[in-house]
Amino acid sequence: ETGVTQTPRHLVMGMTNKKSLKCEQHLGHNAMYWYKQSAKKPLELMFVYNFKEQTENNSVPSRFSPECPNSSHLFLHLHTLQPEDSALYLCASSLAGAVSSYEQYFGPGTRLTVT
Amino acid sequence: GESVGLHLPTLSVQEGDNSIINCAYSNSASDYFIWYKQESGKGPQFIIDIRSNMDKRQGQRVTVLLNKTVKHLSLQIAATQPGDSAVYFCAENRAAGNKLTFGGGTRVLVKP
Repeated sequence: ETGVTQTPRHLVMGMTNKKSLKCEQHLGHNAMYWYKQSAKKPLELMFVYNFKEQTENNSVPSRFSPECPNSSHLFLHLHTLQPEDSALYLCASSLAGAVSSYEQYFGPGTRLTVT
Repeated sequence: GESVGLHLPTLSVQEGDNSIINCAYSNSASDYFIWYKQESGKGPQFIIDIRSNMDKRQGQRVTVLLNKTVKHLSLQIAATQPGDSAVYFCAENRAAGNKLTFGGGTRVLVKP
């Protein structure tokens, strides 16, 4: 799992807290993604960044705020979350523009619990 | 709406037997399909992919079959091993850009 790393691996936060999830890719990729994975739903795409620019916001509530300072790092800032936001948050990266640009490499995820 | 769906939520298979995981898709415009494996506590891991101009592709102990006529995708695992126990997801590229849409997943349990 050295290709895409995520920190923290586990996070418990109250509904009034502010926290951030971090993702770093060491693969030389130029596209990064945030997904939400909950127990009863398929992987849900949240955000897509291509060359540091946000190209997709899949109707995500504003209490989730992504940031992509460079092609290797991606953050997800969290504030005033709801218990239903508890899930596994996965980061992925890919090499956009390449023949196999659809192949995404995932990190291990951050298990988030909102109390 | 259009979606990628899996027929079986859980598949139990005897060690050494072959496994077949099925996936249906509804968008005939999809041109790329990929299978991921997700073990407990880990992120999804790429297994194999196939483009719509192919109907079969083989990897190490895995084969993906694509039937565009009935919009069906399958993953075959030969000689299933305990380490194959995981959740398997199919995904398709059905929109412009580098986005994948994932199915619901099938859990494979390998019995010793």
